[in-house]
Amino acid sequence: DQQVKQNSPSLSVQEGRISILNCDYTNSMFDYFLWYKKYPAEGPTFLISISSIKDKNEDGRFTVFLNKSAKHLSLHIVPSQPGDSAVYFCAASGQTGANNLFFGTGTRLTVIP
Amino acid sequence: DVKVTQSSRYLVKRTGEKVFLECVQDMDHENMFWYRQDPGLGLRLIYFSYDVKMKEKGDIPEGYSVSREKKERFSLILESASTNQTSMYLCASSSVPRTQYFGPGTRLTVL
Repeated sequence: DQQVKQNSPSLSVQEGRISILNCDYTNSMFDYFLWYKKYPAEGPTFLISISSIKDKNEDGRFTVFLNKSAKHLSLHIVPSQPGDSAVYFCAASGQTGANNLFFGTGTRLTVIP
Repeated sequence: DVKVTQSSRYLVKRTGEKVFLECVQDMDHENMFWYRQDPGLGLRLIYFSYDVKMKEKGDIPEGYSVSREKKERFSLILESASTNQTSMYLCASSSVPRTQYFGPGTRLTVL
């Protein structure tokens, strides 16, 4: 049972425009959320995170929004650059065990020059 | 910077062989994880460990085992490799907070 879902397998955006990647989760015990970026043949790299006590976290061009009532988070990239083309994974964690992360299936972002 | 290294980037093995994948982290993290990534399936957790000599099954442990004899090292073992274990294997480590840091991955092909 997929507890974290990314319903859009792919997204294409023009360079300079905003990219919005979406993620939904089902487990109300999740209290920490992360986004990872992955290039082909490389491991995922951590991008940005947010705790459930916040509804927004910003780091440069990247902003994550959390809507707890809707169990939804999104990643905004502004402005999008060709180097942002990658697969983006959403992940969520609750305070159990080794704080395991539950990952979505990923969204492939293509930024068109 | 956190560094997680994996012993091989690419590996080709034959069906039935025993395969060892090694992972080392240099940040004294308590927790270590092994995932496999397959197209359309995201990252699936195979095993994890929260302390030396401790291990826990993840979502897909069948056909795999692990070893954690030292805090910095976490090994994934395929006892008898099969073609359906052809995949990208990713190791990660974490401490507090819960961000996991990943190695570069090992692309394993079983023929």
